[in-house]
Amino acid sequence: AQSVAQPEDQVNVAEGNPLTVKCTYSVSGNPYLFWYVQYPNRGLQFLLKYITGDNLVKGSYGFEAEFNKSQTSFHLKKPSALVSDSALYFCAVRDKGNTGKLIFGQGTTLQVKP
Amino acid sequence: ETGVTQTPRHLVMGMTNKKSLKCEQHLGHNAMYWYKQSAKKPLELMFVYNFKEQTENNSVPSRFSPECPNSSHLFLHLHTLQPEDSALYLCASSQDRSNTGELFFGEGSRLTVL
Repeated sequence: AQSVAQPEDQVNVAEGNPLTVKCTYSVSGNPYLFWYVQYPNRGLQFLLKYITGDNLVKGSYGFEAEFNKSQTSFHLKKPSALVSDSALYFCAVRDKGNTGKLIFGQGTTLQVKP
Repeated sequence: ETGVTQTPRHLVMGMTNKKSLKCEQHLGHNAMYWYKQSAKKPLELMFVYNFKEQTENNSVPSRFSPECPNSSHLFLHLHTLQPEDSALYLCASSQDRSNTGELFFGEGSRLTVL
């Protein structure tokens, strides 16, 4: 079965510092990986995805993610964190079957302090 | 604005009530989804529709009844719910069920069952 894991419930970082939110995956074959962000009392917003090609994927709001096949990881990164980046972040993998459903990790709360 | 609109945003109901959640997408997508988001739990896929046909029912209790009259609208009919059904219900759409496309989420309907 396909799955993703986000090992950290919460990540704390100071504004202006680089941030990393970790994600590892378990799939058969090539993975299709996604990152979403959820602000309080809002739905999920798409940030970026990896389907194929360059291992470094750039997305919205200055975020990027690096696909690492040997480590089965897809960590989300940003060179300089903003207080407004504070939110709940979800990693997801797309099911290879006919349903096309997204399978989500448990989420990581990012707290950026001034 | 993601192009996916959910109503109502908040709903309080008793266990004997019957209510419905509505989702409408203006993106021309063909696949629509219901997810349940409870506190401290991963997002749970409930139902998937593709071209108005239900393609996945993720062992959801029968007190939740989905309806998809066309590719733009998705409903979730609720009756005799339990307090543990209190959660944020998220609707999403995608172009189709292909593995590479991202999902677009609505803002969610916050349901409280008394």
